[in-house]
Amino acid sequence: SAVISQKPSRDICQRGTSLTIQCQVDSQVTMMFWYRQQPGQSLTLIATANQGSEATYESGFVIDKFPISRPNLTFSTLTVSNMSPEDSSIYLCSVTAATYEQYFGPGTRLTVT
Amino acid sequence: EDQVTQSPEALRLQEGESSSLNCSYTVSGLRGLFWYRQDPGKGPEFLFTLYSAGEEKEKERLKATLTKKESFLHITAPKPEDSATYLCAVQAGSGYSTLTFGKGTMLLVSP
Repeated sequence: SAVISQKPSRDICQRGTSLTIQCQVDSQVTMMFWYRQQPGQSLTLIATANQGSEATYESGFVIDKFPISRPNLTFSTLTVSNMSPEDSSIYLCSVTAATYEQYFGPGTRLTVT
Repeated sequence: EDQVTQSPEALRLQEGESSSLNCSYTVSGLRGLFWYRQDPGKGPEFLFTLYSAGEEKEKERLKATLTKKESFLHITAPKPEDSATYLCAVQAGSGYSTLTFGKGTMLLVSP
């Protein structure tokens, strides 16, 4: 399985600001994903980060609010823009390689005040 | 629309008291069913993938089984360190497709 790191591990941000979360994998992976886990809830997929092309967003998530970059096969960023308290969540990066199993990073705990 | 329902929402066991967690699913063309363990404040940890009805997989005190409508995660003689939230997810269709997660079962094992 891949080793996945995320930065920052947690942050407290003010309403109206933006935060960029980084995801680094120790090996080249086929697909990378970004999930949100709101307090007491399960995981919701935000988007699939495609290398060399625009991300594919799930219903209810838009690029202006959650811009994603994936410059290579081991790195991706998710930006949470113009934040509100409703954006307070854990944001998780996940990857899949040759098999269809997904492995998750440790998460970024975001609190918006 | 793919749906995953996990039960119970929470389960409290005494150490050594075996039990099972349930994951019921509705999906058009199951490609795989996944079990994860999630500790508080951490990302989900991959446990098992099951691909076809009748398949079983084991890891230490955990055993996962799969039928055409549901999966069970059996926990034999649990220990306090097995306390966590257990998540079930399904993947449908051909090729790669995204995962649909259930809400999880929060397991607490008391010494």
